[in-house]
Amino acid sequence: SAVISQKPSRDICQRGTSLTIQCQVDSQVTMMFWYRQQPGQSLTLIATANQGSEATYESGFVIDKFPISRPNLTFSTLTVSNMSPEDSSIYLCSVEAAQETQYFGPGTRLLVL
Amino acid sequence: QKEVEQDPGPLSVPEGAIVSLNCTYSNSAFQYFMWYRQYSRKGPELLMYTYSSGNKEDGRFTAQVDKSSKYISLFIRDSQPSDSATYLCAMSAINDYKLSFGAGTTVTVRA
Repeated sequence: SAVISQKPSRDICQRGTSLTIQCQVDSQVTMMFWYRQQPGQSLTLIATANQGSEATYESGFVIDKFPISRPNLTFSTLTVSNMSPEDSSIYLCSVEAAQETQYFGPGTRLLVL
Repeated sequence: QKEVEQDPGPLSVPEGAIVSLNCTYSNSAFQYFMWYRQYSRKGPELLMYTYSSGNKEDGRFTAQVDKSSKYISLFIRDSQPSDSATYLCAMSAINDYKLSFGAGTTVTVRA
């Protein structure tokens, strides 16, 4: 299985600011994913990031709010822009694996005041 | 109606008991079925996955899929306090990288 790390592991931010979350994987992967996990709720897919192409966003998520970069096959960033308290959540990155499964990173816990 | 339904619990059992978890789904295109375990303040960890209907066993864990009923289950035998976690079901269709998740069931195994 892939080893995935995320930075930062947690952060407390002021409303109106932006935070960039990094995701690093120990092997080359084509597809990387970004999810949001709010308390008591399912994981919600924000976008899919393929190296060399624009990220594909799910309904309800827009590039201006959640810009994503994917500069190579082992790294991606997600920025949460112009944050509000409603953006307080856990943000997870994942990578594709066999049989349509995915491996997840440890998550970034974000609190917006 | 959500695409994947999972009873959030919480579920509390004594050590050594059998834990039974389940999910129902509505999308008949789902062919891959997964269970993830998520410890507090950690990311989800892939526990088991199955393709189409049938059973799969791995140590104390058994996953079952009944596509005719659109129902999947995870059984944990001889449960241990270390099994205390949130268990998430997930599923996807063939050649579809998108996973649909249940809300997760929180399990506590009491020593």
